[in-house]
Amino acid sequence: DTGVSQDPRHKITKRGQNVTFRCDPISEHNRLYWYRQTLGQGPEFLTYFQNEAQLEKSRLLSDRFSAERPKGSFSTLEIQRTEQGDSAMYLCASSLLGYNEQFFGPGTRLTVL
Amino acid sequence: TQLLEQSPQFLSIQEGENLTVYCNSSSVFSSLQWYRQEPGEGPVLLVTVVTGGEVKKLKRLTFQFGDARKDSSLHITAAQPGDTGLYLCAGDSGAGSYQLTFGKGTKLSVIP
Repeated sequence: DTGVSQDPRHKITKRGQNVTFRCDPISEHNRLYWYRQTLGQGPEFLTYFQNEAQLEKSRLLSDRFSAERPKGSFSTLEIQRTEQGDSAMYLCASSLLGYNEQFFGPGTRLTVL
Repeated sequence: TQLLEQSPQFLSIQEGENLTVYCNSSSVFSSLQWYRQEPGEGPVLLVTVVTGGEVKKLKRLTFQFGDARKDSSLHITAAQPGDTGLYLCAGDSGAGSYQLTFGKGTKLSVIP
């Protein structure tokens, strides 16, 4: 069991550029979550998938953010026209249907200059 | 909006001391999870508590869920430098929503 993986681990970009992050959940986990964590705060929920269906989205997920999980396995999170306020750690988690526990990946640290 | 408040925000203790950190809310949670996070890494799940009044032990760590399922505590006995990290509590409200609501965490430093 290899755990949740995320790529890249770090991303530095200039304001206005688009970025895409990838998350590979624990195999056979059908639920996948994206969270954002800024300095001094706990993670904040962004969105959640059950298999390939995006079932819940936070108000934090502005129009510039889009997430996909096309085949119910890995997921991508894209941020268009990045802003300095998007700088944060983006965390992915996965869980099994019927279980409360969510297992997190190592995160992608985004810095927008 | 459900909020989880953690206290203290920072805690610095000597190796061998005992400590308790708290996680409080005015809302009821169907389950509550505790995580530990190292700098630059994702949170690592320590325990999940589900039943009001439940107590779970993980080596030197003891977790308790309040009877009303609104609060929880984490007690560490004989703290070691390896316990250093950010301790986060996260609640699951149930009711068809699977998002976790996190507190801001307690940053623990155990000095050798």
